[in-house]
Order: sequence, then C-alpha cells, then structure tokens
Amino acid sequence: QLQLQESGPGLVKPSETLSLTCTVSGGPFSSSSYYWGWIRQPPGKGLEWIGAIWYIGSTHYNPSLESRATIFIDTSKNQFSLKLSSVTAADTAVYYCARQPRPDYMDTAMTVDHWGQGALVTVSS
Amino acid sequence: DIQMTQSPSSLSASIGDRVTITCRASQGISNYLAWFQQKPGKAPKSLIYAASSLQSGVPSRFSGSGSGTDFTLTISSLQPEDFATYYCEQYYRYPPTFGQGTRLEIK
Repeated sequence: QLQLQESGPGLVKPSETLSLTCTVSGGPFSSSSYYWGWIRQPPGKGLEWIGAIWYIGSTHYNPSLESRATIFIDTSKNQFSLKLSSVTAADTAVYYCARQPRPDYMDTAMTVDHWGQGALVTVSS
Repeated sequence: DIQMTQSPSSLSASIGDRVTITCRASQGISNYLAWFQQKPGKAPKSLIYAASSLQSGVPSRFSGSGSGTDFTLTISSLQPEDFATYYCEQYYRYPPTFGQGTRLEIK
C-alpha cells in the first residue's frame, strides 16, 4: 500500500527557509506515470497547490509561489523535498505531499490520487 | 487562474439522505475535475477524477457528473462516515485550483 510521509521542522522563523521532505514507500517511485507534489492548507482554510516534480527532475510550480519554492527529488532514497524561502506568517499551514498522475497532455495539469498525512509548519519568531 | 466555486458552503443532512454538491468553474475545463473528502484533522482523500471516475476503494454511493463548467458530486445514501468537508479541483490548466469547500453536517 502506497504511503507518503512528510518530515521537517514544525517551526520556522520569519524570513528563513521552510524545508520539508516526503518519503514514499509501498509503491513505484521512479515511474514515468507520476509526478510528486506539494499542497498546503492554512489553518481553517482551503487547499493551495504549490508545485510538483517528475522523476527525472522536471517541475511545475504555482506562479504565486514560483519565486520562492523549489522542489527536488532523490530517487535513490525514494524522497522528494520542498524548500520555501523568505517565509512569513502567511506561510503557516499544513503541508501535504502527494502523488499526482502524469497528465495525458502537455498543457493540462494534474490531480492527486494519494496524499501524505500532512505536516503543520508554523512561521513565528 | 481558473476559479472554482462550490455551493452550498455548508449543508445539513440526515443518515440515508441523498445529497448533491455543486462546483462551477470560471471557464470550461472539459472533464478535468476531481473531488476530495476531508475529515477534521486528517488529510484529504481522493474520491473522483475525470469528473465521474471513482478512485480505487471509494464506495459506489459516491458519484460525479458534469462537463464544461458545471459539475456535481452526489452521495446516494448518506452514511455516518460521510460527514466531512468536500472540495472540488480543476486540473485543466496550471495551476490546479480548488473550490472553497462544502461542509456536510449531521442534521
């Protein structure tokens, strides 16, 4: 059974960089069929897609976060990671990692079929 | 970005009721529409993709329909475990965007 598990600091200071890692087990990781993505949810609010990475390293980002977000992948460890720079209180959220089936066409986006349990990251001094 | 609007924002219903939640896209998205269920303190669960296809393991009382700009999620007979918040998502164009959610509560 596919499992995704987020890990990383739960508290980050303003202006610093948020770093999270997702470890994938129980299913194919280095597969051309899937992207691996990050989605966040501020407390009491809705969902926001951050970005995703393919197994060979190609990425897509939400334009609203593209200047601050970097996603990278380590296929030897079945892990992918998110870095979000220059954080503010507005970046406080539960961060989910997710498996996202590769789109059928280049100009269509991707949805989620499996989610991690989520990791709360609070930005505060 | 494509805006997704769900209605109603909240809904009260009883066990055994048939419930429908609506999602409208700000532009046509063909059938690139997914539905998710989220319970308090838990990660979302994927229910439906391509507007009407059930994810593996999802009970058949859940169904989805629609194309273009208007979509619905229907639960044919509410069970106690169905009380949750439901989100739609378009994945027709980047970035994928979500509706604001519909909270389904017990009457």
